[in-house]
This record gives sequence, C-alpha cells and structure tokens, in this order.
Amino acid sequence: GAGVSQSPSNKVTEKGKDVELRCDPISGHTALYWYRQRLGQGLEFLIYFQGNSAPDKSGLPSDRFSAERTGESVSTLTIQRTQQEDSAVYLCASSSRLAGTLTDTQYFGPGTRLTVL
Amino acid sequence: AQSVAQPEDQVNVAEGNPLTVKCTYSVSGNPYLFWYVQYPNRGLQFLLKYITGDNLVKGSYGFEAEFNKSQTSFHLKKPSALVSDSALYFCAVRPNFGNEKLTFGTGTRLTIIP
Repeated sequence: GAGVSQSPSNKVTEKGKDVELRCDPISGHTALYWYRQRLGQGLEFLIYFQGNSAPDKSGLPSDRFSAERTGESVSTLTIQRTQQEDSAVYLCASSSRLAGTLTDTQYFGPGTRLTVL
Repeated sequence: AQSVAQPEDQVNVAEGNPLTVKCTYSVSGNPYLFWYVQYPNRGLQFLLKYITGDNLVKGSYGFEAEFNKSQTSFHLKKPSALVSDSALYFCAVRPNFGNEKLTFGTGTRLTIIP
C-alpha cells in the first residue's frame, strides 16, 4: 500500500514568491498534519486537520502561511511572499484512529525541501 | 505547554554494543510518548510508542524504550547495535487529552562504528 506522498521533493524559489506544497495522505486516514523541520532542529507543528472539524492552525508562524484540505484527501500548504527564514523541510503526516486505541500513530511523508534564495 | 529534551546531539556506539538514546519530557497530564527514526533524505519512520501499561515498550528493528514517570524519561535502547541503525532519532510527546499534534525533540544523531 502507498504511504504518504509529498510533492515536489525539492523547491527552490526567490524571496517574495508564493509556493504551494502538496500532501497525499494514506488512503482512509482522517487526520493530516503539517510540520516544519529547520536545519539541525526538531519538527515544529504547523497545522492539523481531522475529518470535517475546524483545523488547528495554532502552529502557523504567520499569516503568510495557510493550508487547505479537501475532505479526507489531498492537502496543500501555501506560503505567500516567501522569506529566507521559510527555508526548511516541510513534512506531512497522516493518521487514523483505530477502534479501541487511545491515540493515533502518525505516518510521515518524505518531505519537501524548500529553499528560498 | 509540552516539551521534549534530547540532551545529546550525537551518540557514537561500537557495533555490537548496547545503545541508549536519551529523552526527557514535560507535559500536563499523562504523556503519550513516541520515537521516530529519520534516514538521510527520507521521512520519519515510526519506531514505537508508550500509551499506557507496561513501562517497557518494544518496537521495530529490535528497539525498545522504557517509560519512567518519576524521572519523566523515555530512553530508547537496543541490546546490540548494528551499523544500519545509524540515523537521526526523534523523541515526541503529546498529552493524553486534546488533539493529536506532537511536540518533538531536536533529535539525536546515532552513529554506529564498525
């Protein structure tokens, strides 16, 4: 079965341009997460989608960042007017709560490496 | 707010020796704890998690981790290291309430020396 996929794998852009990053979760997974991994640092939570509930946007660092998800499928993370400090690997994860369990296990995609020149 | 500390940026272990990668955490309520491994140019792979029950959790590739509530620790261990275990390891935590978002440590680079 396919895992989480992300595209593009690498993106180089100029400061001030907008970028869109795509995530295809594991089929049937109701939850989807975006994280950011800066060089030499851990993962920072950005945004969380769960089914049809309102997303948890508490990790988005500024109003230049936004994300959408269509139903329980693809998600797009958009960064407007990119800045050099946005350079990082953007990781997507998906999960689904199994009956009788207390928490999900998140499965991660390979990430998109964003470089802002 | 929750936090995770991985006090060692780098751990070197000789092949065949036991390994330990340290993790301590801070969280409100009871913790759910996770270990992930990241190989070069690849996403994170799930190793194991502690939710409740037995403090010793066994996971993939022969790894295990011990939950210690009094020391707020969740150290990752393996009895005999392999060169293929060389990778970047992340500890993560979330409280046992609220949504599923994880707080990660900064990672520990494990190098197994042949």
